[in-house]
Amino acid sequence: GAGVSQSPRYKVAKRGQDVALRCDPISGHVSLFWYQQALGQGPEFLTYFQNEAQLDKSGLPSDRFFAERPEGSVSTLKIQRTQQEDSAVYLCASSFTQREETQYFGPGTRLLVL
Amino acid sequence: KNEVEQSPQNLTAQEGEFITINCSYSVGISALHWLQQHPGGGIVSLFMLSSGKKKHGRLIATINIQEKHSSLHITASHPRDSAVYICAVISNFGNEKLTFGTGTRLTIIP
Repeated sequence: GAGVSQSPRYKVAKRGQDVALRCDPISGHVSLFWYQQALGQGPEFLTYFQNEAQLDKSGLPSDRFFAERPEGSVSTLKIQRTQQEDSAVYLCASSFTQREETQYFGPGTRLLVL
Repeated sequence: KNEVEQSPQNLTAQEGEFITINCSYSVGISALHWLQQHPGGGIVSLFMLSSGKKKHGRLIATINIQEKHSSLHITASHPRDSAVYICAVISNFGNEKLTFGTGTRLTIIP
């Protein structure tokens, strides 16, 4: 399809395990965002890429969180040594460019850390 | 205090009623989005506004930049409108990231 896709859709991890979440943005979209949504809350910003450059990572909650977009398309959000408080839905969004462009959201990855 | 506040948090109405959801924000913005999120997580952008009013079908969104306030209206509401509606803003400063409100859970009863 032509939309933003994310994988896996669901991930159950044991505490301390590393996880990798993938986002495939819409082809040609320059901007890519990762957001974290805790249960019952609105999403919160994690990090932002423009092409392959990570321009803002101010929302990453700790140094256990790492994101990359090496070729300016697919992005991976990695969480090392997962903790229970990392349990959330991780949303990826992309937009063509410019500040006033619509952001298109993926279906999210629901992460549960036991 | 959150930068983006929505009211009400929860809203239950009968089918056919006129619905209003409000959003207030405290920062200067370049654009405001209204988003719809159904159970299961998928988020769909309904509107993006920087001024005035937009209409799409039974949905109307308005924004008052001076008062830092936006409203989303649904006319002739239907059970399929049941979802969480989220207001999100793009600040004048920094990158294009969205800052979200906590959402309004709307339930339309047949």
